[in-house]
Amino acid sequence: TQLLEQSPQFLSIQEGENLTVYCNSSSVFSSLQWYRQEPGEGPVLLVTVVTGGEVKKLKRLTFQFGDARKDSSLHITAAQPGDTGLYLCAAWSNSGYALNFGKGTSLLVTP
Amino acid sequence: DAGVTQSPTHLIKTRGQHVTLRCSPISGHKSVSWYQQVLGQGPQFIFQYYEKEERGRGNFPDRFSARQFPNYSSELNVNALLLGDSALYLCASSVLGGASDTQYFGPGTRLTVL
Repeated sequence: TQLLEQSPQFLSIQEGENLTVYCNSSSVFSSLQWYRQEPGEGPVLLVTVVTGGEVKKLKRLTFQFGDARKDSSLHITAAQPGDTGLYLCAAWSNSGYALNFGKGTSLLVTP
Repeated sequence: DAGVTQSPTHLIKTRGQHVTLRCSPISGHKSVSWYQQVLGQGPQFIFQYYEKEERGRGNFPDRFSARQFPNYSSELNVNALLLGDSALYLCASSVLGGASDTQYFGPGTRLTVL
């Protein structure tokens, strides 16, 4: 099983601040996904990164895939309370049938 | 369009009992996957089914079993419940399953074992 390590585990910031969360592994991935999970809900796919060095933007969220395809980061600009949730990175297993998730970063944005 | 639905929403059982969790995929999706999410952890893969056949199984004991029906809905069964089985059980559906497909998750069933 590929191990995905996410940091930080918890993050509490005020509205308007910027933040970055990280997803690291010793394995090389063909692709990596980021999900957000809100309380009482299942994870929702935000983005899939495929190419080493790739940068994708989703409004105030910027996702980057490391050049070696072993790590990824998620940067949020001017965080809002609606960004509160659990951010999970995930990668498909070698079989292609199982998603392996990191433990997640729990983000709290207060007004 | 309706998303993935799961029932029940919450469930309380005692050790040694068995439980059946149900999942209805998005219309047109033929693959269903099950995940266990323990508090403070990311989801952990249990099973994937496609066209009623098991295509993948995670590192879970034989107490965990599942099946998929002709209408593509699915059940997850857990026997001889342990305290450690307390978790959020997530169902995800996709058109074909596999890495090329997007998985859509349901809201989960919260199982508490006392």
